[in-house]
Amino acid sequence: QQQVKQSPQSLIVQKGGISIINCAYENTAFDYFPWYQQFPGKGPALLIAIRPDVSEKKEGRFTISFNKSAKQFSLHIMDSQPGDSATYFCAASGRMGQFYFGTGTSLTVIP
Amino acid sequence: GAVVSQHPSRVICKSGTSVKIECRSLDFQATTMFWYRQFPKQSLMLMATSNEGSKATYEQGVEKDKFLINHASLTLSTLTVTSAHPEDSSFYICSASWRGTHRETQYFGPGTRLLVL
Repeated sequence: QQQVKQSPQSLIVQKGGISIINCAYENTAFDYFPWYQQFPGKGPALLIAIRPDVSEKKEGRFTISFNKSAKQFSLHIMDSQPGDSATYFCAASGRMGQFYFGTGTSLTVIP
Repeated sequence: GAVVSQHPSRVICKSGTSVKIECRSLDFQATTMFWYRQFPKQSLMLMATSNEGSKATYEQGVEKDKFLINHASLTLSTLTVTSAHPEDSSFYICSASWRGTHRETQYFGPGTRLLVL
């Protein structure tokens, strides 16, 4: 059972544009929501993360928006660059610390 | 940031043999390590959670006798794929965290590509 649903599966954005990836979860026990970036053949690297007590968190060009009542959260990449081309995973973590990942979004930024 | 290494990075083995993958936290003591499996262009699927000195907790559907996990020290966890078959071919990734201020933060290793012939 997929505990975290992610969309879109793939995304193509022009350089300088905004990339938006959405995730939804069901388990209200989740209390930590990170986003990871993964390049081919590499392990995931933490980008940014948020807890449910805030609705938005921004770090540089990356912003997480969190809607607790809708059980949804999204990643916004501002001024997208070709170097941002990678696969992005959202995740949700419960009390025991296990991460449940979304299905991933393959982002391509066209120069 | 914290560094997690895996060894080997790539392994090819014959069907029926066992393969051991090591996961090490290089600059911190990992109280908890996680093992994931990732098929091409798919998500990471949590296989098991291991705490140092105790038995691993396996996710539903993961055969504990097939995927043996040992977390003997605070810096090392091993995953042994026993009697490997071609369907076990996958990308195996470990992550590590510690009981600190940012308990939820997991640092991922670079992954191990397993190919079973």
